[in-house]
Amino acid sequence: TQLLEQSPQFLSIQEGENLTVYCNSSSVFSSLQWYRQEPGEGPVLLVTVVTGGEVKKLKRLTFQFGDARKDSSLHITAAQPGDTGLYLCAGYSGAGSYQLTFGKGTKLSVIP
Amino acid sequence: NAGVTQTPKFQVLKTGQSMTLQCAQDMNHEYMSWYRQDPGMGLRLIHYSVGAGITDQGEVPNGYNVSRSTTEDFPLRLLSAAPSQTSVYFCASSYTGAAYTFGSGTRLTVV
Repeated sequence: TQLLEQSPQFLSIQEGENLTVYCNSSSVFSSLQWYRQEPGEGPVLLVTVVTGGEVKKLKRLTFQFGDARKDSSLHITAAQPGDTGLYLCAGYSGAGSYQLTFGKGTKLSVIP
Repeated sequence: NAGVTQTPKFQVLKTGQSMTLQCAQDMNHEYMSWYRQDPGMGLRLIHYSVGAGITDQGEVPNGYNVSRSTTEDFPLRLLSAAPSQTSVYFCASSYTGAAYTFGSGTRLTVV
């Protein structure tokens, strides 16, 4: 069974601070996605990373896929209250397995 | 608007009752999945489908049935509801099978 460990589980920071969320596994993934979920809504896809070492930027969010494709990180620069939410990483193993393995999420609160 | 539509949004059932959670997508996606989300447990896969007529079990399939008669629809049936099935249920669809579009969820309480 593939597992994805996310850390930290909870994060409360002041507006303007920087933060990093980690997603780690002992398994190799073909790709890894990051989702953000707001209360009462479903997860919304932010990014997919595919190549080991890949870095993608989405405004103030920077996503990195580890060289060995076993881990990933999400860095937010100058956090804003609108960044508040549950951040989920999900790994796709490929090879005919059409299933995602989700981490348990990081609940981020950005205080104005 | 294109996307994944789930109905109902809220439901209360008595133990032993049955019901169907509806899911429809209008993006012509082949891949569809059902997840449940519980506090501290994350999202767990119940059943998934790789196309019309093809379904398979996920991590937590017991007590649930699915069918996929059309590309658009993927209903989830609870056969005999139990309090342990109290959860938030999400339907999701994908073009590639790798990255998914989620519905807004059904919050189910079994009393």
